[in-house]
Amino acid sequence: AQSVTQLGSHVSVSEGALVLLRCNYSSSVPPYLFWYVQYPNQGLQLLLKYTTGATLVKGINGFEAEFKKSETSFHLTKPSAHMSDAAEYFCAVSGFDDYKLSFGAGTTVTVRA
Amino acid sequence: NAGVTQTPKFQVLKTGQSMTLQCAQDMNHNSMYWYRQDPGMGLRLIYYSASEGTTDKGEVPNGYNVSRLNKREFSLRLESAAPSQTSVYFCASRGPGAPMNTEAFFGQGTRLTVV
Repeated sequence: AQSVTQLGSHVSVSEGALVLLRCNYSSSVPPYLFWYVQYPNQGLQLLLKYTTGATLVKGINGFEAEFKKSETSFHLTKPSAHMSDAAEYFCAVSGFDDYKLSFGAGTTVTVRA
Repeated sequence: NAGVTQTPKFQVLKTGQSMTLQCAQDMNHNSMYWYRQDPGMGLRLIYYSASEGTTDKGEVPNGYNVSRLNKREFSLRLESAAPSQTSVYFCASRGPGAPMNTEAFFGQGTRLTVV
């Protein structure tokens, strides 16, 4: 069975600073990895996903993530934070032979002016 | 496009009451999911349906039942609500075909309070 661990439940950054959200996965099979964002009182929407191919994945709103098999990681970054990036972010994993989609505990991002 | 539609959006139940949360998707997806979201615990899978006619337990199925009524609809039933089931419930769908590498689309959630 696959699972993900998000390191840090809260991250606070200054506007214009780097955003780095950490996600490590555990999977016995090649994983499919996702990052989702949730704005207050809304459902989740996809930021980006890794399935196969290029290990550096670009998503919406300037976010990107790099799949590192040797480190079992899929960290999310954005070079310059904007106030609108304040939200909760979830890493998720799906195995290629499994219909389940499992989520991490989430990381709340606050952006300081 | 409506996407994934959940009803109701808010509900207050008394302990022991029953209710059904409804979910419908119009994207012709095969797979559907029910999650609950609690502070600090992320989204936990309650039940999922890989395709019409099949359902499987997720991480936290106790106290819940599901019905995959047809390809579009997947309902979640609480037979005897308990305060521990106070949560925000999300329905999601993936597909078409084998969904493993596809994104999930989420409804707006149902905020349930059990008193």
